[in-house]
Amino acid sequence: ILNVEQSPQSLHVQEGDSTNFTCSFPSSNFYALHWYRWETAKSPEALFVMTLNGDEKKKGRISATLNTKEGYSYLYIKGSQPEDSATYLCALQHMEYGNKLVFGAGTILRVKS
Amino acid sequence: DSGVTQTPKHLITATGQRVTLRCSPRSGDLSVYWYQQSLDQGLQFLIQYYNGEERAKGNILERFSAQQFPDLHSELNLSSLELGDSALYFCASGRTPQTGELFFGEGSRLTVL
Repeated sequence: ILNVEQSPQSLHVQEGDSTNFTCSFPSSNFYALHWYRWETAKSPEALFVMTLNGDEKKKGRISATLNTKEGYSYLYIKGSQPEDSATYLCALQHMEYGNKLVFGAGTILRVKS
Repeated sequence: DSGVTQTPKHLITATGQRVTLRCSPRSGDLSVYWYQQSLDQGLQFLIQYYNGEERAKGNILERFSAQQFPDLHSELNLSSLELGDSALYFCASGRTPQTGELFFGEGSRLTVL
């Protein structure tokens, strides 16, 4: 059974703070790592799909890095805004499991103004 | 708006009953995925269809079945419902048979009483 772990479970920050969270996964047979943003009462929205070790992707104030050798990815949010409040999910796509995405439990981010 | 439509949004039913959840994928997407999110669990992959054929299977119970029709919409059938089947059921769609960026619907919340 693949285990994808996200930490912390939840995070409360002030508006303007920068923050980051971690996704850890088994490094063997890695295929891709996905990050999704899920706002309450909405559908999960893809942020990044990362495949290469050392990959760095950026979308506005959000960026992500990937280390497939040690099995982790970081998601960074610079200058958090209240609208960044959401659950951030990472999901592993593993060679052994083909098209199945294994999701972590998510990190809940709350940004206070 | 992801372009993926799920109906119904909410459904309340009794144990032992059968329900059908419907998903219309984003225009042009041939892959449809079903995920289940139960309380305190991450998104669990159930099944994937690509262009009408089953492509990948996750931990889908035998009481559950799905299909994808020629017009590419998909239905998830849940029968002999149990209390533990109460969950949020998501449909997601993608362009290719290989899982890349997924576009999620807003989910169907099933409550079994």
